[in-house]
Amino acid sequence: QKEVEQNSGPLSVPEGAIASLNCTYSDRVSQSFFWYRQYSGKSPELIMSIYSNGDKEDGRFTAQLNKASQYVSLLIRDSQPSDSATYLCAVRSRDYKLSFGAGTTVTVRA
Amino acid sequence: EAQVTQNPRYLITVTGKKLTVTCSQNMNHEYMSWYRQDPGLGLRQIYYSMNVEVTDKGDVPEGYKVSRKEKRNFPLILESPSPNQTSLYFCASRTSPMETQYFGPGTRLLVL
Repeated sequence: QKEVEQNSGPLSVPEGAIASLNCTYSDRVSQSFFWYRQYSGKSPELIMSIYSNGDKEDGRFTAQLNKASQYVSLLIRDSQPSDSATYLCAVRSRDYKLSFGAGTTVTVRA
Repeated sequence: EAQVTQNPRYLITVTGKKLTVTCSQNMNHEYMSWYRQDPGLGLRQIYYSMNVEVTDKGDVPEGYKVSRKEKRNFPLILESPSPNQTSLYFCASRTSPMETQYFGPGTRLLVL
């Protein structure tokens, strides 16, 4: 079982719609969760971090965490063409190791 | 400007020819890591370093070496590259295990 799993995608959404990305993790004691955005040929950049159960909002982005279900998600509201990228879920485990999912590619159609 | 730099950005080499990819950060970070990124596999950690002269293996260390003689530098060494090491490599650094990780721009390596 992979430590971090994401929807393989690609995910195509129309401009202005909500993009919903999902991630599950295997280490039950993981404490920190991150979403990175990676444009083609570029390095990952952190867009959201979440540490406790519930929702965390930052602009058009909302991260949701459910530790009981070992599930973390990212919602992108009012999707823009500039949101077209690969989104990486990362989980920090008990030994501070940061494990990444394979990523979900999002395409926003104008 | 706070940044992580890598050199070279692109490299084409042949099997068995030793190479080094340099990584440098100007943020006085103690923790540095090397990752490789392959399609469908995501980012996999190769090696990491907690401080000068302190390094440890990540998930995929075979065929790689690292050193940390200075806090700011963390070079990745491929003693005898093979085609299965063709990949996109990222160096990253952070202040502590709890903090945000900053990535370098990446090095695209092709081993023929």
